[in-house]
Amino acid sequence: NAGVTQTPKFRILKIGQSMTLQCTQDMNHNYMYWYRQDPGMGLKLIYYSVGAGITDKGEVPNGYNVSRSTTEDFPLRLELAAPSQTSVYFCASSNRNYRARKSYEQYFGPGTRLTVT
Amino acid sequence: AQSVTQLDSQVPVFEEAPVELRCNYSSSVSVYLFWYVQYPNQGLQLLLKYLSGSTLVKGINGFEAEFNKSQTSFHLRKPSVHISDTAEYFCAVSASLAGGTSYGKLTFGQGTILTVHP
Repeated sequence: NAGVTQTPKFRILKIGQSMTLQCTQDMNHNYMYWYRQDPGMGLKLIYYSVGAGITDKGEVPNGYNVSRSTTEDFPLRLELAAPSQTSVYFCASSNRNYRARKSYEQYFGPGTRLTVT
Repeated sequence: AQSVTQLDSQVPVFEEAPVELRCNYSSSVSVYLFWYVQYPNQGLQLLLKYLSGSTLVKGINGFEAEFNKSQTSFHLRKPSVHISDTAEYFCAVSASLAGGTSYGKLTFGQGTILTVHP
């Protein structure tokens, strides 16, 4: 299994441009998440999804959109890039299994480093 | 809602010395607790987790943590560190099943950079 994959690894955007950060998992996990990581701030939840067609806002959703048309994919869309969106973005997935000891463990992708200038 | 405070932003230590990284949390419901490690330019990897049961939890790479409900703490320890333990460590919390529907969403602390010197 590849686990959670993210593309691209790096990207530089100009202010006002748009882009989509891709995230794919091959573990058949129900839950998927997008976080952003800023220095000294830890990770903040942007959006999450509990299954195909179901998404909801996290702590810092402004300026972002998501969709979940399949179990495997959870892309994050930036419509009008702003310098405040310069960050490292992580996608993660997990499964809810009352009996499995691995329940609630989130598996993270390698991240996308985005710079908006 | 939950919050997590990691009490030290940076911890320098010499190789083979013991280390403790401190984590306090706040929550109105019962929680699950996690420690993740991030090596430079990589994603996050789970070190250990507390879901229920024994309050002393052992993880990978010789790390362990103790859940203290009365002090709302979940400190991470290692009796003897190696150069390869140099990384950033994150404490995280999510509401437990008994605490309501959280869908596994994590609230992270600010991170502690552990630097192991030779």
